[in-house]
Amino acid sequence: QQQVKQSPQSLIVQKGGISIINCAYENTAFDYFPWYQQFPGKGPALLIAIRPDVSEKKEGRFTISFNKSAKQFSLHIMDSQPGDSATYFCAAHTYSGAGSYQLTFGKGTKLSVIP
Amino acid sequence: GAGVSQSPSNKVTEKGKDVELRCDPISGHTALYWYRQSLGQGLEFLIYFQGNSAPDKSGLPSDRFSAERTGGSVSTLTIQRTQQEDSAVYLCASSQRTSGYEQYFGPGTRLTVT
Repeated sequence: QQQVKQSPQSLIVQKGGISIINCAYENTAFDYFPWYQQFPGKGPALLIAIRPDVSEKKEGRFTISFNKSAKQFSLHIMDSQPGDSATYFCAAHTYSGAGSYQLTFGKGTKLSVIP
Repeated sequence: GAGVSQSPSNKVTEKGKDVELRCDPISGHTALYWYRQSLGQGLEFLIYFQGNSAPDKSGLPSDRFSAERTGGSVSTLTIQRTQQEDSAVYLCASSQRTSGYEQYFGPGTRLTVT
């Protein structure tokens, strides 16, 4: 119930195209859903995040779509650029019930944007 | 300002040895997290600190793993009697908020156990 399932595992998109990464969860106690971008040899960097009372959030070329009833959320990267090539992780936040807060991560999507 | 820093960036150790990994969080961030990232896998939560206290240690994989935080700042993750399956990238993150909604990650320590 603590899992976050992410797909696809890898994605190849042409420059200028739209990249779409999907995540699904079961635990309705999750209360915050961030996306992280990770370049090789670097730590993950917070990209954009959404709370479950909002259906969509847009920041520049990045948009999160959130479907609470389906327990799914997705990241859309518009006008994808080669510099967007990285691994993307979705995550979900919850209180563990033992005085601890934690993020549960999906397994990641390796995005390659080809010129 | 300075981000989260971790040291060493790389560590190669022999099976059975103990290792210490260090994390310096962003100044003023009260919440600190350790995660483990294995090849091709997502991030596995290990432990959360609020100040110097770790209320929940259940994410630690075994009793060979321990962590402490002093002065509400620097944290050390210690792995005793390392095993090959401990090889991974160990990531530290900090957050200004107790609830850890916005976590900022360090570059990680790549641990290789031979």
